[in-house]
Amino acid sequence: GDSVTQMEGPVTLSEEAFLTINCTYTATGYPSLFWYVQYPGEGLQLLLKATKADDKGSNKGFEATYRKETTSFHLEKGSVQVSDSAVYFCALNNEGAAGNKLTFGGGTRVLVKP
Amino acid sequence: DTEVTQTPKHLVMGMTNKKSLKCEQHMGHRAMYWYKQKAKKPPELMFVYSYEKLSINESVPSRFSPECPNSSLLNLHLHALQPEDSALYLCASSQSIGLAVTYEQYFGPGTRLTVT
Repeated sequence: GDSVTQMEGPVTLSEEAFLTINCTYTATGYPSLFWYVQYPGEGLQLLLKATKADDKGSNKGFEATYRKETTSFHLEKGSVQVSDSAVYFCALNNEGAAGNKLTFGGGTRVLVKP
Repeated sequence: DTEVTQTPKHLVMGMTNKKSLKCEQHMGHRAMYWYKQKAKKPPELMFVYSYEKLSINESVPSRFSPECPNSSLLNLHLHALQPEDSALYLCASSQSIGLAVTYEQYFGPGTRLTVT
């Protein structure tokens, strides 16, 4: 079945540091890929998405490129802020999945210190 | 407007109580979802509604009873819950569901449920 693997956290960074969160997936067909962010005490927010190979999703300074050859969708940000402290979830949605079902990775907690 | 609202924000209930969670969206979406999220875990899908009909039940115990009165509203009725049911309950919506197409899901802020 489909699966998503994320690097385990927590990831602790200083402000203005470069952030990378690795995400790899296993899926049949042509899944769409997503990054969701969950700030403390809140629900999930869609951060960015990519629907086909070589697509780059970007939002709020974050970027991720859909790499079919390496089955990866790594999240990057060039200069993090304290406000980026959150849990980040990589997810896929396979076009063949019943009910538009999302498959989530385990989540990566990021803590940015001033 | 990509907002999904959920009420209440917090809920504490005893094991013999009956309570309901409410979710609302005004984006014209025709698919709505309930998820359960335990601490430090990703959300787990519970139910999917499509065009107000139950499409998927992920083998959820009957003490959780979903209801979709109209295309904008989704309820989750709770009865005789157990302490291990304490979690964050998230609602989501998407434009639709389809076998050959994927639709992004928009999540609400969740209801933090504590069962005592």
